[in-house]
Amino acid sequence: EVQVVESGGGLVQPGGSLRLSCTASGFTFSSYSMNWVRQAPGKGLEWVSFIFDTGSSIEYADSVKGRFTISRDNAKNSVYLQMNSLTAEDTAVYYCVRGREGFDYWGQGTLVTVSS
Amino acid sequence: DVVMTQSPLSLPVTLGQPASISCRSSQSLVHSNGNTYLNWFQQRPGQSPRRLIYKASNRDSGVPDRFSGSGSGTDFTLKISRVEAEDVGFYYCMQASHWPRTFGQGTKLEIK
Repeated sequence: EVQVVESGGGLVQPGGSLRLSCTASGFTFSSYSMNWVRQAPGKGLEWVSFIFDTGSSIEYADSVKGRFTISRDNAKNSVYLQMNSLTAEDTAVYYCVRGREGFDYWGQGTLVTVSS
Repeated sequence: DVVMTQSPLSLPVTLGQPASISCRSSQSLVHSNGNTYLNWFQQRPGQSPRRLIYKASNRDSGVPDRFSGSGSGTDFTLKISRVEAEDVGFYYCMQASHWPRTFGQGTKLEIK
């Protein structure tokens, strides 16, 4: 069974940093691209970042470019999102999602709250 | 960026009646490889999104056959042939033919 599990969310002050983790199982992780998608409270879905299966290609939304860094460790079946210079606008549930175009499996999400 | 525009944003439907959601993109979603990467997702209250349809018209495994997707180019539709109580929630279209990936605003389906 395919599973994607996010962790690392929490409360952080404006200007602070947080690192999200996503651990996958039930499929050959090293063969799949992965994404982070977020959803602010009561709002719609926003794609955040993408990383190719080998890590050789990475994309970011303009809203996070220069502040967020996506990475992966295929030996640990994990993908990460390092988030720096956080603002209140980054408050959201962050989902880890499998696939370059398919977005076929989603985790349960981890809540990031940026507040003083 | 490709703008995805859904309509309606609110959809009250009587149980057993059909429902239809439109999704229009600001540019063609035909990828250079010939595929059209348009996904539909359902998000039930308190749950993560779940993919229903991929590449515009392909239903995912386990998705009831009352759900269907159609369309091409810039104009796409999600149809539910007979709405059931478990269909309540938000529905999003998403394009994955261009960077950045973009979602529609979401359509809230509720029972009338």
